[in-house]
Amino acid sequence: EIVMTQSPATLSVSPGERATLSCRASQSVGSNLAWYQQKPGQAPRLLIYGASTRATGIPARFSGSGSGTEFTLTISSLLSEDFAVYYCHQYHSGTTFGPGTKVDIK
Amino acid sequence: QVQFVQSGAEVNKPGASVKVSCKASGYTFTRYTIHWVRQAPGQRLEWMGWIHAGNGATEYSQKFQGRVTITRDTFASTAYMELSRLRSEDTAMYYCARDTSGYFVFDYWGQGTLVTVSS
Repeated sequence: EIVMTQSPATLSVSPGERATLSCRASQSVGSNLAWYQQKPGQAPRLLIYGASTRATGIPARFSGSGSGTEFTLTISSLLSEDFAVYYCHQYHSGTTFGPGTKVDIK
Repeated sequence: QVQFVQSGAEVNKPGASVKVSCKASGYTFTRYTIHWVRQAPGQRLEWMGWIHAGNGATEYSQKFQGRVTITRDTFASTAYMELSRLRSEDTAMYYCARDTSGYFVFDYWGQGTLVTVSS
């Protein structure tokens, strides 16, 4: 099973600042990686798939990069609605999720 | 608009079974697969299995093989997930999610159903 890790576990950011979240796979997943946002009491929301393609309706301030085992989700200028937990998800071999990064208000 | 509405919270005893429903609307139900993903308290998301809503084909995670059954009713545009021989570790939020890519990319999710297993 491919194990996904994310860092940091918690990221404290001020509104308007940039947030950079990292995801690492225990073996190469190519570009078969997605990012989801989850707010308390809500279902996950697809942000990025194919490592860098924004899903329908996702604002341009969200961007994804990376391939192989190292991936990054960048939120260029945080808005209040962006404070949430973010999960990476590989679908290269089986399907597994990372433990999440919580982005909270600094 | 695409929407998934799941059945309400359940409390079940160890050893029992639970069946959660997921009603789809806003698209042609039989075109895509529906997956089930669960999230235990404080744990990461965990994939359980999928069903193709058109032809009924299924695939299950090895972890749940033999305990989980995913079905669908095309006339009701509803998918179901039944988990048997429940244990306390099955206490979790259970989500259905749609995959239009065929590659396990989940573009729309249900609101979740909390299943609590307690004696």
